[in-house]
Amino acid sequence: GAVVSQHPSWVICKSGTSVKIECRSLDFQATTMFWYRQFPKQSLMLMATSNEGSKATYEQGVEKDKFLINHASLTLSTLTVTSAHPEDSSFYICSARRQKDTQYFGPGTRLTVL
Amino acid sequence: GEDVEQSLFLSVREGDSSVINCTYTDSSSTYLYWYKQEPGAGLQLLTYIFSNMDMKQDQRLTVLLNKKDKHLSLRIADTQTGDSAIYFCAESSTGGYNKLIFGAGTRLAVHP
Repeated sequence: GAVVSQHPSWVICKSGTSVKIECRSLDFQATTMFWYRQFPKQSLMLMATSNEGSKATYEQGVEKDKFLINHASLTLSTLTVTSAHPEDSSFYICSARRQKDTQYFGPGTRLTVL
Repeated sequence: GEDVEQSLFLSVREGDSSVINCTYTDSSSTYLYWYKQEPGAGLQLLTYIFSNMDMKQDQRLTVLLNKKDKHLSLRIADTQTGDSAIYFCAESSTGGYNKLIFGAGTRLAVHP
């Protein structure tokens, strides 16, 4: 149990376009989902925490208008990178937590902005 | 603030033991984790330890915690080529409910 999926696994887009990444908990209900960003050969940096039905809490330095997070159900959270630019190219990883449990990570989405 | 540090690279011979070390600064850490990341993939939880424990063993994995020195280690016995990956140490003061603070990751290379 505790499987988390992400879609797409990779995406290439043009500068200025918006990209939506989905994170789903497949076999459990996730009360909280987290979005991380990972640069090459670096660690994961938490971007935001989202609880189902409420607004996401963003980490300092993360632009909430650029990285839109929606946690519409207990099994789905989406991250939309708006007006993407090459510096937004990165590996985006989500995790999901069910109540009183640890975080389970998705396989990640590689975003390349041309 | 909270900080987690790891050495960046470790090379071992197949069959030998690997020891990956981690230090952290948050004295309120209650849970400490080890994650494995293979190329192009997400993170796989390997094991975790509560701060009131000194050691935890799970098959080939042994976690040692020195809470006084804020030092955590992961020992992999009989290291195999399939163990080649990046290993992240992470700490949380609220059981992973909120923030996980990750180290930079240790790249383990296993050679014949």
